[in-house]
Amino acid sequence: NAGVTQTPKFQVLKTGQSMTLQCAQDMNHEYMSWYRQDPGMGLRLIHYSVGAGITDQGEVPNGYNVSRSTTEDFPLRLLSAAPSQTSVYFCASSYSPATPDEQYFGPGTRLTVT
Amino acid sequence: GENVEQHPSTLSVQEGDSAVIKCTYSDSASNYFPWYKQELGKRPQLIIDIRSNVGEKKDQRIAVTLNKTAKHFSLHITETQPEDSAVYFCAASIGGANNLFFGTGTRLTVIP
Repeated sequence: NAGVTQTPKFQVLKTGQSMTLQCAQDMNHEYMSWYRQDPGMGLRLIHYSVGAGITDQGEVPNGYNVSRSTTEDFPLRLLSAAPSQTSVYFCASSYSPATPDEQYFGPGTRLTVT
Repeated sequence: GENVEQHPSTLSVQEGDSAVIKCTYSDSASNYFPWYKQELGKRPQLIIDIRSNVGEKKDQRIAVTLNKTAKHFSLHITETQPEDSAVYFCAASIGGANNLFFGTGTRLTVIP
């Protein structure tokens, strides 16, 4: 199993540009989520999904969209990038959407917005 | 939502000594408390977790304790080794969902 994969590893955007961060998992996990990690602030939940076709907002959803058309994929879209979105983005997945359990993280995408 | 506070932000110990990291949470409905280790430039990885129906859990040199009344939980690492050097995050999850609320992290340095 590849586990949780993310692309790209690094990205530089100009203010106002849009892009999609890709996340995929091959463990048949129902729950998937996106976190952003900023220095001194830990990881904060952006959006999450408890199964195909179902998404919901986390702590910091503004400026981001998600969709979940398949169990495997959970892309994160930045609609109009802002310097405040400079961060490291992690995708995570776990088997059960309702029972808290180990979350497996992807390798991360380091995004810089200039 | 849940608020998780973590202390200290940095911790240096001599190799072989013990390290303790403490976290508090605000929502009494939280029932799952994982600890993640993150090495520089890498992804967070689960090292130990505890559920609200248990007061303590051990895995070799690592242990976690939970005090639900006081709403705090702690990570204990004994006989520290240089490879334990990393950033450690505590987290809490409110019952019925798998969303994690993280502390701000503790940078542990083990001095050989």
